[in-house]
Amino acid sequence: GAVVSQHPSRVICKSGTSVKIECRSLDFQATTMFWYRQFPKQSLMLMATSNEGSKATYEQGVEKDKFLINHASLTLSTLTVTSAHPEDSSFYICSAITGFGTQAFFGQGTRLTVV
Amino acid sequence: RKEVEQDPGPFNVPEGATVAFNCTYSNSASQSFFWYRQDCRKEPKLLMSVYSSGNEDGRFTAQLNRASQYISLLIRDSKLSDSATYLCVVRGNTGFQKLVFGTGTRLLVSP
Repeated sequence: GAVVSQHPSRVICKSGTSVKIECRSLDFQATTMFWYRQFPKQSLMLMATSNEGSKATYEQGVEKDKFLINHASLTLSTLTVTSAHPEDSSFYICSAITGFGTQAFFGQGTRLTVV
Repeated sequence: RKEVEQDPGPFNVPEGATVAFNCTYSNSASQSFFWYRQDCRKEPKLLMSVYSSGNEDGRFTAQLNRASQYISLLIRDSKLSDSATYLCVVRGNTGFQKLVFGTGTRLLVSP
């Protein structure tokens, strides 16, 4: 099946710094990727939809200047958490849909801890 | 009201038991329905799609009732390895085909 690779799997950073998370579709082209955030014991919440070659579409309440998304190619989307704060600590997961759009494949997730 | 609602559980069952999870969704225009499984601190993985006619995959049976906007998952002969959180997922009919996740139902299967 299709594979989505997310890196890093775990990161600890200091408050005020920025962290970049990469999401790659390894064996298919993904024109659309999604970024989710999951707090402990809560559901996955969609943050934004990443479109290759155009601006991302952010969900209500998600700050686009804080969570920068770049989808520069058909196989790579990046999420940069800028000026991270402890409340940004969470599990961030990307997903991509194959061309037929029938199934979403998820990256392994990135556990971000801001200290 | 949440778009997708599930009982968070946990459901504690012994090995071999049959357990059923339910889920309701609010958007009547939703097009596709899925059950995903998520292990602790891992990414969700597709368990099965859900069709109006009902579908079965081994010990797992999924049902969709569009009129009631209700989805179910039945697990027979529970195994210890079935312990996980089961996410009810709905895809709308808008562009980008966004997935909306329920909060998940936690299942604990004990020996």
